[in-house]
Formats: sequence, C-alpha cells, structure tokens
Amino acid sequence: KAGVTQTPRYLIKTRGQQVTLSCSPISGHRSVSWYQQTPGQGLQFLFEYFSETQRNKGNFPGRFSGRQFSNSRSEMNVSTLELGDSALYLCASRSGQTSYEQYFGPGTRLTVT
Amino acid sequence: LAKTTQPISMDSYEGQEVNITCSHNNIATNDYITWYQQFPSQGPRFIIQGYKTKVTNEVASLFIPADRKSSTLSLPRVSLSDTAVYYCLVVGYSSASKIIFGSGTRLSIRP
Repeated sequence: KAGVTQTPRYLIKTRGQQVTLSCSPISGHRSVSWYQQTPGQGLQFLFEYFSETQRNKGNFPGRFSGRQFSNSRSEMNVSTLELGDSALYLCASRSGQTSYEQYFGPGTRLTVT
Repeated sequence: LAKTTQPISMDSYEGQEVNITCSHNNIATNDYITWYQQFPSQGPRFIIQGYKTKVTNEVASLFIPADRKSSTLSLPRVSLSDTAVYYCLVVGYSSASKIIFGSGTRLSIRP
C-alpha cells in the first residue's frame, strides 16, 4: 500500500505571495491532518479534515486554510506569506475517527524569502 | 488540554533498554497516549498507542500507571538506528480535541 505523498517536496516563495501544498493520504484513509514544524516551535497542529469537513483547528491565523476533496486528498493554502512561515509542512492520514495511529508524509519544505 | 512534558535528551548504548517517561497531568478520561519517532528530515512514525496498563508490540512497550498522569515508552535492546526524536502525544477522539505534540526527547545511542 502506498504511503502518504506530498507535493511539492521543496518550495521557495517570496513574502506576500501565496502557496498551495498538496497531500494524498493512504488509500482508504478518510482523515487528513496538517502540521507545521520549525526548529523553534516544534510540531504544531494546523487542522484536521475528515470526509471533507474540518473537524479540528489549531491556533494559526486565518492566512492558513485547507480543504479536503471527495477522494480524501487535501490541500492547504497559505496566503500573504511571511518569513516566519518558513517551515516543514507535514501531512498525516489515519483510517478513521477511533484511531490516532497517524501516518505522516515526507513533508514539504517551504522557504519564504 | 493535556500538555506533555518529556526529558529534552537522553543517551544510551547499543543493546541497552531505554525508558522514556512522559508526564501528562491533565489527561482527560477519553484521551489516549501515543508515541512517535522522528528522524531528521522525515515525518514522524507511529510507534505505539495505549489507554491504561501495558501495551506491547514488536518494537516497543508502553507502560501507563493507574492514574494515567504519566507514561513510559520502553525500547528493548536499542541499536544505533534508534537514534531519533521521540514524541509523546495525548489525544482524544472528540472533535473538540486539540492535538499537541510536546518538545520531544532526543535519544542518542552510542556504540
């Protein structure tokens, strides 16, 4: 079974631009979560989607948004990029609502200049 | 919110058993305890999940006392490849649950 895939793997953007990251969960998994990882703040939860509905949201500004499609694939968008948005963005999927065994993708390394 | 506290770092030697303890004083009745392992430039990898007492799988054991305010991840006979950051995570199943990773424990294994 293929693992979680994320595209692109690396991205360089300029302040003020926007970016869209993509995540394909493991086949059959209906839940997708997004995390931001930085050396200073560690792993921080952004949001979780289950069956196209946002179930949970972390403490990030509205510039961070996401969505999930009917095939469970998910995208997250960051608008008006700031230097502090430079981070590794991780996507994780799990099969259902009763297990927190999450499978993480390799991440997208975003650099904002 | 069940915040977790772990040691920042630990050192051990190949072949030893390593125990990493996590404190979660505010754990709720419906919360579960999970542990993840992360290597540099990779996403975290699920190790084990438990609710109470003891859980064992092919790579680790998880010990949870009756009050559930702490948990201990036990790695038997570690090898150099176990050098990684280990995260304790307390999660609930309700839609209002927040997912908070602690700062993690950086485990270094020496020959």
